Amino acid sequence: KAGVTQTPRYLIKTRGQQVTLSCSPISGHRSVSWYQQTPGQGLQFLFEYFSETQRNKGNFPGRFSGRQFSNSRSEMNVSTLELGDSALYLCASSLVANNYGYTFGSGTRLTVV
Amino acid sequence: GESVGLHLPTLSVQEGDNSIINCAYSNSASDYFIWYKQESGKGPQFIIDIRSNMDKRQGQRVTVLLNKTVKHLSLQIAATQPGDSAVYFCAEATGSARQLTFGSGTQLTVLP
Repeated sequence: KAGVTQTPRYLIKTRGQQVTLSCSPISGHRSVSWYQQTPGQGLQFLFEYFSETQRNKGNFPGRFSGRQFSNSRSEMNVSTLELGDSALYLCASSLVANNYGYTFGSGTRLTVV
Repeated sequence: GESVGLHLPTLSVQEGDNSIINCAYSNSASDYFIWYKQESGKGPQFIIDIRSNMDKRQGQRVTVLLNKTVKHLSLQIAATQPGDSAVYFCAEATGSARQLTFGSGTQLTVLP
């Protein structure tokens, strides 16, 4: 079966712009989590969605937001981009909430210039 | 997990040897631990997990050891192969938190 699909794979944006990243979970998976990966901070939790509801949010500013649709697909949005937002954004899906049997996608590499 | 720095710890092993990757975790309330493998250009891939009521768990060529007294986790890879070259992360979670806290990772290089 298809894995977790993230689009786009690469993105270059300018400071101050906003960006939307997309994640399609494995078919049947209802929980989607987002993580940010940088060389300096490693992998950090952004948020988790289950059944269109945000269940948990990490320690990131309000510029980072997300949502989940009825088909479990998820998007995350970053507004007013800063240079420090340059990172690999990873989406992970699991069958149910609070189940850490995550399958990660390959990520979206965001570069802010 | 471990404090995160700019440089990953590295481990180089000869092909066929056993590898041991270590991880210190910080939250004594963590009750679930996972090891992930991340290859270049890919997302983390689940390797093995262990719950806090266990000390050891074995998979195919991998063993995870958990020492709750010193908050230490290790991943042993038997007969390391070139395809094992990757960055390995430990991650911890508590039952009440719906998130994983990752360690900084270890770069494993398998030498021919």
